[in-house]
Amino acid sequence: GAGVSQSPRYKVAKRGQDVALRCDPISGHVSLFWYQQALGQGPEFLTYFQNEAQLDKSGLPSDRFFAERPEGSVSTLKIQRTQQEDSAVYLCASSRPPSLRGYTFGSGTRLTVV
Amino acid sequence: TQLLEQSPQFLSIQEGENLTVYCNSSSVFSSLQWYRQEPGEGPVLLVTVVTGGEVKKLKRLTFQFGDARKDSSLHITAAQPGDTGLYLCAGVDSGGSNYKLTFGKGTLLTVNP
Repeated sequence: GAGVSQSPRYKVAKRGQDVALRCDPISGHVSLFWYQQALGQGPEFLTYFQNEAQLDKSGLPSDRFFAERPEGSVSTLKIQRTQQEDSAVYLCASSRPPSLRGYTFGSGTRLTVV
Repeated sequence: TQLLEQSPQFLSIQEGENLTVYCNSSSVFSSLQWYRQEPGEGPVLLVTVVTGGEVKKLKRLTFQFGDARKDSSLHITAAQPGDTGLYLCAGVDSGGSNYKLTFGKGTLLTVNP
């Protein structure tokens, strides 16, 4: 597609519920990233994929967070047993090879845990 | 952990004024990127600077990378209401991965008509 597409745009989850956030990157983009942006903060790195391989998951805050990209295109970020502190905007970005020259971000999914 | 500090955190000005926002770190970066983010949207890349001392211009926006590649500034001339948004700087650490971006907290700019 023309841009990075994320769905849903908004998600309200009850504490303890599992959620799945989807990212559809730009066609042909090898690299895919997930970032978490809390209110009033800049985005923080969560994880990085090159094709289907998850090369870096050092930013995932706990083992309740899991990301996958099984066919090297669409990616899903799953959060199990959501907590209030998980409330944030989850941003997906993609690029051709890992690029020093910038990434294309999606519009994000705003997750609110109540 | 590298920290990117942006200042000011908030800036409210009148249309036509000039402004400069700053991005500072104690770390050296391979490259530094500036993004603008509007409410409800993801960050949009404005520019990437990679060479110490580099200056890039994008219409009314001028970006500068410090000689030591630890800091950067964004200057906007004759600001317009359409410039309103959150300006984020983000760096790729020269000693770390070649892909992980570290973001500052941003400068929230409001340009009043």
